[in-house]
Amino acid sequence: NAGVTQTPKFQVLKTGQSMTLQCAQDMNHNSMYWYRQDPGMGLRLIYYSASEGTTDKGEVPNGYNVSRLNKREFSLRLESAAPSQTSVYFCASSRQGISGNTIYFGEGSWLTVV
Amino acid sequence: GENVEQHPSTLSVQEGDSAVIKCTYSDSASNYFPWYKQELGKRPQLIIDIRSNVGEKKDQRIAVTLNKTAKHFSLHITETQPEDSAVYFCAENTPLVFGKGTRLSVIA
Repeated sequence: NAGVTQTPKFQVLKTGQSMTLQCAQDMNHNSMYWYRQDPGMGLRLIYYSASEGTTDKGEVPNGYNVSRLNKREFSLRLESAAPSQTSVYFCASSRQGISGNTIYFGEGSWLTVV
Repeated sequence: GENVEQHPSTLSVQEGDSAVIKCTYSDSASNYFPWYKQELGKRPQLIIDIRSNVGEKKDQRIAVTLNKTAKHFSLHITETQPEDSAVYFCAENTPLVFGKGTRLSVIA
């Protein structure tokens, strides 16, 4: 099992460009998440999907959209990238969103917006 | 909203000493408290977790304690080794709300 796989690993964007981060999990998990990590700020939740067909905003959703394409895949889209979105993005998944099961992270995507 | 305060932000200990990291939370309904370890350039990985019906949990050199009345929980690492050097994050509930992290350095 690959676990949680996200692409691309590295990306440089110009201000105003759009892009989509892809994430897939092969653990048959119900819940999926997108976090961003900035120095000194910890991990902040952008959006999550408690189950297939649902999505909810997290702490820092502005400037992002998500799609839960099916049970395996959860994508994050930046419609018009801004330098403030330079960050490391982690996709994650867990078996059940409410009962507090372990979440597993992908390897991260390093995004730079210039 | 939910909030997790984590202290200290940096911690240096001599190899073999103990390290303690503390977190406080605000939501009295929180019932799940994991700790994650993140090595440089890597993904966060769960090292131990505790649920609200338990006061303490141990796994070899790592332990977590929970005080629901005071709304704080702590990570204890005994007999620290250089490979324990990393950033540690506490979190609460699901979806997880993370503390800002503690950079632990174990000096040989």
